[in-house]
Amino acid sequence: DIVMTQSPDSLAVSLGERATINCKASQSVLYNSNNKNYLAWYQQRPGQPPKLLIYWASTRDSGVPDRFSGSWSGTDFTLTINSLQAEDVAVYHCQQYYRIPWTFGQGTKVEIK
Amino acid sequence: QVTLRESGPALVTPTQTLTLTCTFSGFSLTTTGMCVNWIRQPPGKALEWLARIDWDDDKYYSTSLKTRLTISKDTSRNQVFLTMTNMDPVDTATYYCARHIVEPTTYSNPLDSWGQGTLVTVSS
Repeated sequence: DIVMTQSPDSLAVSLGERATINCKASQSVLYNSNNKNYLAWYQQRPGQPPKLLIYWASTRDSGVPDRFSGSWSGTDFTLTINSLQAEDVAVYHCQQYYRIPWTFGQGTKVEIK
Repeated sequence: QVTLRESGPALVTPTQTLTLTCTFSGFSLTTTGMCVNWIRQPPGKALEWLARIDWDDDKYYSTSLKTRLTISKDTSRNQVFLTMTNMDPVDTATYYCARHIVEPTTYSNPLDSWGQGTLVTVSS
């Protein structure tokens, strides 16, 4: 199984500041035939189900504010939240959908400092 | 608009078999490319993918749980079922169903719609 390791487990960021979350895959999730990384980020607000935020490692889902961005280098993926807002308080999960069984990171909790 | 809703018992006793139902609308599991997954999340812990069923009745399971899981569907009622045998307190979790789509050009896509989840507690 592909292991997804997120860091940190939690972070506290001041309103208007930047939050950076990392996710490392134990093997490549890049499909060579289409040059896409099969990596998604989900946002889970308290008491809510996860919501798709970013897919193909860097494509924002419809309606997601542009302060959210995704990037990668090899098997290291990053979710950046620029100018953190109060509504961004949530747990963020990375997930690979490259190979079954699909696997998630352990989640990163983002709070307001 | 795609919606999914999980239902099932809130409490099961150890060794019992759990059966959950996912009732969905806004798409059909007879449409090529449509797939429904089950994912769970123990309180305060990580998401864990459990199983998937596709429009063509292909089925896939978690490596560690495959001996205990069975996924099935009733396309006429827009429902997907998950049974998990020999329940244990460590199986206490919120169970979600979620959709994803398989396309010829991308072969897979992420989980784009989720239900609200149903909390299952395993206790005697």
